[in-house]
Amino acid sequence: DGGITQSPKYLFRKEGQNVTLSCEQNLNHDAMYWYRQDPGQGLRLIYYSQIVNDFQKGDIAEGYSVSREKKESFPLTVTSAQKNPTAFYLCASLLKQGADNQPQHFGDGTRLSIL
Amino acid sequence: DAKTTQPPSMDCAEGRAANLPCNHSTISGNEYVYWYRQIHSQGPQYIIHGLKNNETNEMASLIITEDRKSSTLILPHATLRDTAVYYCIVRGFWGSGGSNYKLTFGKGTLLTVNP
Repeated sequence: DGGITQSPKYLFRKEGQNVTLSCEQNLNHDAMYWYRQDPGQGLRLIYYSQIVNDFQKGDIAEGYSVSREKKESFPLTVTSAQKNPTAFYLCASLLKQGADNQPQHFGDGTRLSIL
Repeated sequence: DAKTTQPPSMDCAEGRAANLPCNHSTISGNEYVYWYRQIHSQGPQYIIHGLKNNETNEMASLIITEDRKSSTLILPHATLRDTAVYYCIVRGFWGSGGSNYKLTFGKGTLLTVNP
């Protein structure tokens, strides 16, 4: 089935360690996004990419990095510079072709916790 | 910042229609209304979106007032699996610049469907 796959579902990080969250989509979508969700809160945009080899910072990019080497993949690295990384991380994608009002579709998220 | 106002919580009896309201009094002419829902520990699920006409799909109906300042999401026969947080989001065409490349989620409405 077509969709967005995020892995792992749960991830634990030690202090001072970088970790990478995976996001893969087989929907042939052009744009991909990373959001962060804290308990009881809405989603906040970390990074987004509208095309391969290009990405832009969102509202809370500090302490995070991304790459977009392939259309299907948009991994997010949570670096040791991110002081409060415990959160639920959501990846989304969007088809840019066709109608200009396409909805974003989301994966099932990765829950990151600090040991 | 979110441009919508939703009640924090609502209850509905199983089998009855659930009507979820959303106020978006500052909506502009080229902005769409999108509805998503999020079941605990999962990614947001796209439900429906519309501009000014009422819309219906296999999941729900969207009723937008003539002045477009408010809308109602209708789940015609709510089931226990419809218990979730429902988000109403206003966004312009993704290609029109500004902040339209992202979705801004507020806190949504927690819908509880009771047996």
